[in-house]
Amino acid sequence: EAGVAQSPRYKIIEKRQSVAFWCNPISGHATLYWYQQILGQGPKLLIQFQNNGVVDDSQLPKDRFSAERLKGVDSTLKIQPAKLEDSAVYLCASSLTGTGVGYTFGSGTRLTVV
Amino acid sequence: GQQVMQIPQYQHVQEGEDFTTYCNSSTTLSNIQWYKQRPGGHPVFLIQLVKSGEVKKQKRLTFQFGEAKKNSSLHITATQTTDVGTYFCAPAGDSNYQLIWGAGTKLIIKP
Repeated sequence: EAGVAQSPRYKIIEKRQSVAFWCNPISGHATLYWYQQILGQGPKLLIQFQNNGVVDDSQLPKDRFSAERLKGVDSTLKIQPAKLEDSAVYLCASSLTGTGVGYTFGSGTRLTVV
Repeated sequence: GQQVMQIPQYQHVQEGEDFTTYCNSSTTLSNIQWYKQRPGGHPVFLIQLVKSGEVKKQKRLTFQFGEAKKNSSLHITATQTTDVGTYFCAPAGDSNYQLIWGAGTKLIIKP
């Protein structure tokens, strides 16, 4: 079974620039999550999709972050404009709805804002 | 909202010693998952506990869910260098599809 694919692996941008991350979940996984993990902390949920609908985006800074999952498969997360405090690893995870099996995470995108 | 407290934040052990991390909640949990994150890596699912008092073992790892379903623990017997990483507990939130992540316990093997 192929895992969760994320790209790019690393990104360095200047503050106020924009950046986009891509995620392709495991085939058949209806639920997709974007997490932000700051160094030394646990993952923080940014947004949760169920198929192509948003289930929870309460912790997404909507003034600068946006995410979409148009066809219910792959997803993009965008930051515009980036701030220094956005430096973190952005993790995408997917799960097979209702099975209770743990999430499968992608390798993440390490973003550095300078 | 729901929160979990995970202790300790760090634990330094000699290789071969045991390691334990604890996860505590003020509210009753429907289930709890455990993940391991190696340095520079991403979280990897270890196990899910659902029943009150449940105990599950994976080789040298023992996972327990408290009788009141408010706490959980992970115990590693005779640690090895491959055990290095951060261990997170992640109970299910109000939605069964969402997890509440603890801050993690970092296992460090002393040289």
